[in-house]
Amino acid sequence: NAGVTQTPKFQVLKTGQSMTLQCAQDMNHEYMSWYRQDPGMGLRLIHYSVGAGITDQGEVPNGYNVSRSTTEDFPLRLLSAAPSQTSVYFCASSQTWEAGYEQYFGPGTRLTVT
Amino acid sequence: GQNIDQPTEMTATEGAIVQINCTYQTSGFNGLFWYQQHAGEAPTFLSYNVLDGLEEKGRFSSFLSRSKGYSYLLLKELKMKDSDYYLCAVRDSNYQLIWGAGTKLIIKP
Repeated sequence: NAGVTQTPKFQVLKTGQSMTLQCAQDMNHEYMSWYRQDPGMGLRLIHYSVGAGITDQGEVPNGYNVSRSTTEDFPLRLLSAAPSQTSVYFCASSQTWEAGYEQYFGPGTRLTVT
Repeated sequence: GQNIDQPTEMTATEGAIVQINCTYQTSGFNGLFWYQQHAGEAPTFLSYNVLDGLEEKGRFSSFLSRSKGYSYLLLKELKMKDSDYYLCAVRDSNYQLIWGAGTKLIIKP
């Protein structure tokens, strides 16, 4: 089992560029989510999915899109990068969205927008 | 608004005991998690509390009081490798996790 994988590990973008952060899990988990982590702040939920074909917005969705065409994959798209999106991005999955199930995190993508 | 508070930084001595507190104000409550995070790496699960009381797992224990909106993580027999960030997270009424900013724990010899 690879668990949760994310690519790339590091990325530098210029303002206005777009890109997709990849996330995949091989544990057949229903629930997947994207977080961003900034210094001095807790993890903030960007988007989440409770199953293939179902996505919803989290706390900070502006500037990001997601899709979930398969159970395994949950890519995050930055539409037009801005310096405020400089952050560490974590993808996470859990068996279901219900209480009690721990989330498994990917290794993170460190994004810098200049 | 929703809020999770934990101390920014704590220092403890190798071999001793340390208690990291977490207070929360959220819209609903469906469980509280503690995670450990090496700087710059993925958080890893430590414990889960949904009912009041103490959950023990080896050197780590976690306590919850729902009426007080309060939890703590207790680490015993501290080792140097326990120097890390410890994150508190509460699952709210929408089953989403609300995260604290994390506590940096420094262990000194």
